[in-house]
Amino acid sequence: DVKVTQSSRYLVKRTGEKVFLECVQDMDHENMFWYRQDPGLGLRLIYFSYDVKMKEKGDIPEGYSVSREKKERFSLILESASTNQTSMYLCASSPHRAASLIEKLFFGSGTQLSVL
Amino acid sequence: AQSVAQPEDQVNVAEGNPLTVKCTYSVSGNPYLFWYVQYPNRGLQFLLKYITGDNLVKGSYGFEAEFNKSQTSFHLKKPSALVSDSALYFCAVRDIGGGNEKLTFGTGTRLTIIP
Repeated sequence: DVKVTQSSRYLVKRTGEKVFLECVQDMDHENMFWYRQDPGLGLRLIYFSYDVKMKEKGDIPEGYSVSREKKERFSLILESASTNQTSMYLCASSPHRAASLIEKLFFGSGTQLSVL
Repeated sequence: AQSVAQPEDQVNVAEGNPLTVKCTYSVSGNPYLFWYVQYPNRGLQFLLKYITGDNLVKGSYGFEAEFNKSQTSFHLKKPSALVSDSALYFCAVRDIGGGNEKLTFGTGTRLTIIP
């Protein structure tokens, strides 16, 4: 089975800190995604990547950046954490860029980030 | 812009009864539709998808969904609910040809199966 691993299950940070959320997938998937999940809002796409060193903005990229230096790893960076970034962050991957429209996503277990 | 609505935040069903979780969508082109389930403290898991062909799609754990183009709906169903089906369910849509091919999720429906 595909495994998408997020480095932390729970994270508590202070306002203004730089925060790194790490995601690793073990099935050589081309596509990787970062979502945030908030009650009543569902999942919203922050950034995605179809290849190493490639990134594209999702629906809510403000306040975030990403890094994909290796195919299996996709990092989400909060340059200066704020309280409104308290949320559940979900990483996902899918196999092929060419088939990205129809392929299912494989999700990690999520990181619950609290910014105090 | 594409959107998906899950009109019920919470659905309660007695064990053994049929269940339905509703989803309607809005796209300018043709839709690709997905259902995902989230168990407590877990990420989302894929249940089923509609891409083309038969309007009735069968998926994991005995779930199925019916694509209805005229009603722009893609309701999730199961003939006999299990307590283990209790979870948070998300519908999602891609608008093919509408200029925005990102996957848009609904707000989720919490399904509780009562023993």
